[in-house]
This record gives sequence, structure tokens and C-alpha cells, in this order.
Amino acid sequence: GAGVSQTPSNKVTEKGKYVELRCDPISGHTALYWYRQSLGQGPEFLIYFQGTGAADDSGLPNDRFFAVRPEGSVSTLKIQRTERGDSAVYLCASSPQGNEQFFGPGTRLTVL
Amino acid sequence: QKEVEQNSGPLSVPEGAIASLNCTYSDRGSQSFFWYRQYSGKSPELIMSIYSNGDKEDGRFTAQLNKASQYVSLLIRDSQPSDSATYLCAVNKGTYKYIFGTGTRLKVLA
Repeated sequence: GAGVSQTPSNKVTEKGKYVELRCDPISGHTALYWYRQSLGQGPEFLIYFQGTGAADDSGLPNDRFFAVRPEGSVSTLKIQRTERGDSAVYLCASSPQGNEQFFGPGTRLTVL
Repeated sequence: QKEVEQNSGPLSVPEGAIASLNCTYSDRGSQSFFWYRQYSGKSPELIMSIYSNGDKEDGRFTAQLNKASQYVSLLIRDSQPSDSATYLCAVNKGTYKYIFGTGTRLKVLA
């Protein structure tokens, strides 16, 4: 079956702009995660959804970051007033029960 | 102290040898442990999960968990050049929050 998909694959934006990153999880997976990965680092947890609700958003770095999953499937990570330090690969993963995760290809965000 | 620590490497092994990758974690309450492989420019791919002390084998891969010593390791037998990648250790504390190490870069020399 289809894996996790993420769009866009690359996003270049200017400092101060607003961006939205989309994740389409594996069908039937109730758990969805967002991570951020910088060069040479492991994925850094941002937020976890179980169904429609954000069960744990403790990894969001500040209030410029927000994520939604209104129908319990597709999720959107939203970043306001982007900063150069937000540049990273943003990874989405889904899981059938919140244990083993399957990652999407990621969105590479570059803030100029 | 980082919650999950891995030697960044690179770890170089000759083709056909056993590669041994190690990971230590700080939270004694951690309950589940995962190894992911990440090729350069690609996303992490799950290799193994382990939940109880001891060894778990899957093909050429063996995961070892020692909760008393708070370490988990991954052995790759008969290493191939295609195994060259970064190997990420991830730990879950029983919540749904996963902590990843920085990864160990493995180079298998032909």
C-alpha cells in the first residue's frame, strides 16, 4: 500500500513568511508524529496526534509552530513568521498504534 | 547528559564483518527501543524494535537490550556496502514521545 507522503518535498521561503507543510499518513494509522531533523542530528520530536487531537505538543519550539489534524488523517504543520533557524527537514511519521513508526520522505524547508 | 547517546562515528568495518552499534539511554523507565536506518538524504526506515531484555534476531540483524545497564545495541552480520548508512536509536518511555539519538554513521568497506 501507499506509504506516508509529504508535500512539498522542498520549500524555500523568506524570513518572516508563513508556511504550511502537509502530511498524508498511511491509511488506517491513528497515530501521527511530526519531527524536525537538522544536519547531523537525529529527528527531534515536535508533536504527536492520536486521532484528531494533539496528545503531546511538548516538542513545539514556540508559539510560531502549530499543527492540526482536523479529520484524523491528513495533518498540516504551520509555521508563522519563519526564521532562518527553522531551516531543517520536517519529517512526518504514522503508526497504527503509536509504537512502530513509518516515516514520510520529509519536507526540506529553507528560510532565506 | 543526553537522553539517548550514540557515538557519531564513522564506524568502518570491512565487508563480511560484524558491525556493532551501541546506544545508551538515561531514563530507566524507558520501555521500548527501536533501530532505524537512514541513508543520506532519505528518511529513517525501521529495522528492529525490542521491548524486553535479551536478544532479538531478524535476518542479519540482532538487537540486544540490557535494561539494567541501560543500553541497546544492534549487530549486523555479514556487513555489506549497502548497509552503509546512519543508524538511529530511538527510545520510548511509555508515552508516545520518542527520543532519537544523533545516529552512528556506518561505513562498510568493499
